[in-house]
Amino acid sequence: AQSVTQLDSHVSVSEGTPVLLRCNYSSSYSPSLFWYVQHPNKGLQLLLKYTSAATLVKGINGFEAEFKKSETSFHLTKPSAHMSDAAEYFCVVSPGSARQLTFGSGTQLTVLP
Amino acid sequence: GAGVSQSPSNKVTEKGKDVELRCDPISGHTALYWYRQRLGQGLEFLIYFQGNSAPDKSGLPSDRFSAERTGESVSTLTIQRTQQEDSAVYLCASSWTSGGVGNEQFFGPGTRLTVL
Repeated sequence: AQSVTQLDSHVSVSEGTPVLLRCNYSSSYSPSLFWYVQHPNKGLQLLLKYTSAATLVKGINGFEAEFKKSETSFHLTKPSAHMSDAAEYFCVVSPGSARQLTFGSGTQLTVLP
Repeated sequence: GAGVSQSPSNKVTEKGKDVELRCDPISGHTALYWYRQRLGQGLEFLIYFQGNSAPDKSGLPSDRFSAERTGESVSTLTIQRTQQEDSAVYLCASSWTSGGVGNEQFFGPGTRLTVL
């Protein structure tokens, strides 16, 4: 069985400051890990994915995430927040050969001017 | 190319009525998934189709929920005798194939269902 815990339901940052969205996972198998973003009234968009290659994964819009097996974490970061980053972010786990995605409960990111 | 589309975008219905939600996957994608997203929560897996194989229905919450898919094309999710707790956004996703490390699911915009 697998599970995902997003440690913060809401995060607020000022424009131009760093973003950190925290995610811990549990999986019986070597997992694939994803971050998706959901803007209001829009579909989910894949930001980045980890698939057992490099542990530091770069995604779109300047986001990146680091897979740390010892800490079972996959935190999402961005050096400088932009107003357009305001959205809900979901950390997702999928065991290597399984079909289902297991979603975290989401983190709402607010970017203050 | 076109992404995953869903219709209707919004549906308001009365308790006890049946509703049908539609999903058009990306052309060529063999795998199709339905999820439910309740307000303020993550996505719950409902059902999965892969080609002509028997669907994985393990996430369907009750026998009021059913889904069909014809070949590798359109899918419909049907909810019979709707209840207020069925109110949610229903999301459809498709992918080139199932499983496999890092296989990406592409999501539609969702259907927002409100049961009065």
